[in-house]
Amino acid sequence: AQKVTQAQTEISVVEKEDVTLDCVYETRDTTYYLFWYKQPPSGELVFLIRRNSFDEQNEISGRYSWNFQKSTSSFNFTITASQVVDSAVYFCALSEALFSGGGADGLTFGKGTHLIIQP
Amino acid sequence: DSGVTQTPKHLITATGQRVTLRCSPRSGDLSVYWYQQSLDQGLQFLIQYYNGEERAKGNILERFSAQQFPDLHSELNLSSLELGDSALYFCASSATGTSGPTDTQYFGPGTRLTVL
Repeated sequence: AQKVTQAQTEISVVEKEDVTLDCVYETRDTTYYLFWYKQPPSGELVFLIRRNSFDEQNEISGRYSWNFQKSTSSFNFTITASQVVDSAVYFCALSEALFSGGGADGLTFGKGTHLIIQP
Repeated sequence: DSGVTQTPKHLITATGQRVTLRCSPRSGDLSVYWYQQSLDQGLQFLIQYYNGEERAKGNILERFSAQQFPDLHSELNLSSLELGDSALYFCASSATGTSGPTDTQYFGPGTRLTVL
């Protein structure tokens, strides 16, 4: 069975600090997809990034960057120069490939990391 | 705005009752997913429909059922409601065609269900 672990329940930093959110996953499939979603206080779930298991290149999008390491089954998310608007709960999620033959196509979410950016 | 709409935003009902939550996917998306978010269980996948057919099931209770209509909107029916069913219910949609990799799921704003 697939599993996603976000060991950090809550992180609090002061604005402009860099912060890294950890995500460790377990899956038996060789083809899978990893996601990060943001849930601001308003409650909606906002898609941030998708990464497939064959692409280990790190990705940078503005102040956001993602580090995918298959060797350690981790997909960590770093926010550089954090801002108050980054305050939210961040979820890491895993999905096995649609035609892998195993498991549902629904996302398996971690418990989330509540990020608090203090002014 | 993800393009996925859900109604109603809030729903308050009593134990034992039945409710229906509605979801309209993004234009062109064929797959609809339902998720439950509660303090106890976190975010859990319930069920997926693709072009009107049930595609995958997650941790969905027998008291819950869903369907997807020809216009691709979906409804989640929750019956014999219990206090523990109080949660935020999300719908998501993706393109998910008949070939290719899993598409990204875009989430609606959710329906908050309170069972008293």
